[in-house]
Amino acid sequence: SQTIHQWPATLVQPVGSPLSLECTVEGTSNPNLYWYRQAAGRGLQLLFYSVGIGQISSEVPQNLSASRPQDRQFILSSKKLLLSDSGFYLCAWLRGIGELFFGEGSRLTVL
Amino acid sequence: AQSVTQLDSQVPVFEEAPVELRCNYSSSVSVYLFWYVQYPNQGLQLLLKYLSGSTLVKGINGFEAEFNKSQTSFHLRKPSVHISDTAEYFCAVIFSGNTGKLIFGQGTTLQVKP
Repeated sequence: SQTIHQWPATLVQPVGSPLSLECTVEGTSNPNLYWYRQAAGRGLQLLFYSVGIGQISSEVPQNLSASRPQDRQFILSSKKLLLSDSGFYLCAWLRGIGELFFGEGSRLTVL
Repeated sequence: AQSVTQLDSQVPVFEEAPVELRCNYSSSVSVYLFWYVQYPNQGLQLLLKYLSGSTLVKGINGFEAEFNKSQTSFHLRKPSVHISDTAEYFCAVIFSGNTGKLIFGQGTTLQVKP
């Protein structure tokens, strides 16, 4: 079966600390993968997407980066977190035209 | 610029009443249209989609939506809501064949009251 896993589910980090959120997909190969951020009252903002290993497209300039070291692994990182990085981060893969299959999300609070 | 607008941030409604959640998008030659639902502290799941064909599409949980090209709208409706429909609803659009990129609206919180 097709599944998508994100971890950690919840994270509280101080300003200036590093970040690593991981996402893995099972049951498919060569998926298109996405990182979205959901801030309170602001909908979903597309951060990065990847069509293959080592291929990353960034949608907005920001304090974050993404990497795809393996076909079904997508990692969101930061070297130094800002307060504005707080939010709910969602990983997704494209299962069909416009049909995104989302993970359960990672809630990041930067203090 | 390509954009999606959900006109209502919150919609309160009583149980068993009908509801309409509005969505408009910036005009484009062709679009694919979607509604997603997000229950508290969960990821999003696809509710319904319009790719082509009949402009009235039916989704899960009794929801339906109608594509209106002249008004560039894709409003979501349900004739009778339940408490369990309380959630956040997102309209999303793919513009002009860019099949890999969804643009989401800001979301509408549906609050169903007993």
